Amino acid sequence: RKEVEQDPGPFNVPEGATVAFNCTYSNSASQSFFWYRQDCRKEPKLLMSVYSSGNEDGRFTAQLNRASQYISLLIRDSKLSDSATYLCVVYHSGGGADGLTFGKGTHLIIQP
Amino acid sequence: NAGVTQTPKFRVLKTGQSMTLLCAQDMNHEYMYWYRQDPGMGLRLIHYSVGEGTTAKGEVPDGYNVSRLKKQNFLLGLESAAPSQTSVYFCASSEEKDSYSNQPQHFGDGTRLSIL
Repeated sequence: RKEVEQDPGPFNVPEGATVAFNCTYSNSASQSFFWYRQDCRKEPKLLMSVYSSGNEDGRFTAQLNRASQYISLLIRDSKLSDSATYLCVVYHSGGGADGLTFGKGTHLIIQP
Repeated sequence: NAGVTQTPKFRVLKTGQSMTLLCAQDMNHEYMYWYRQDPGMGLRLIHYSVGEGTTAKGEVPDGYNVSRLKKQNFLLGLESAAPSQTSVYFCASSEEKDSYSNQPQHFGDGTRLSIL
């Protein structure tokens, strides 16, 4: 079984702070990486893809370290609305249409 | 454009009953998936389909059957419900992948199923 590991948290962070969390994956052949966001009792929604050179989308920055097999998500100037569970998702080559592996998620709580 | 729609949203069954969960997508996606999500377990793939008329087993297929008679619909059936199948079920769809990446998945808003 291809594993994707995340710290489940919760991460309790004051509003306005910067928070970062990592995800490690076991399959070195993994090729595509994503962060999904899931609100309580809602469906997962794509937050951002993760590219080899790192990428930024507003307050969110994603990084990939292939050598160490981890990806990270950095949230700057955190908002109350950022409170959610963040799922790390990895696609491994040769896995076919079922090649996606979901982490169990990191629970983030932004406190006023 | 509704995206991915799941019906029903909630259901309570008795052990041994059968039911079908319906997933419909209007994005003309080739791939469709059924997942279950349990506390502490994350999302686990039950069955998936890479096109109309095709289905395949995922990580946890036992006790479930699926059908994809039309491209836009993917049905998940429980022939004889068991309490262990109490869960939140998510359907997802995605475009056909190319050789080097996988397209992100679009999820429905879930079906909460309780088996008594």
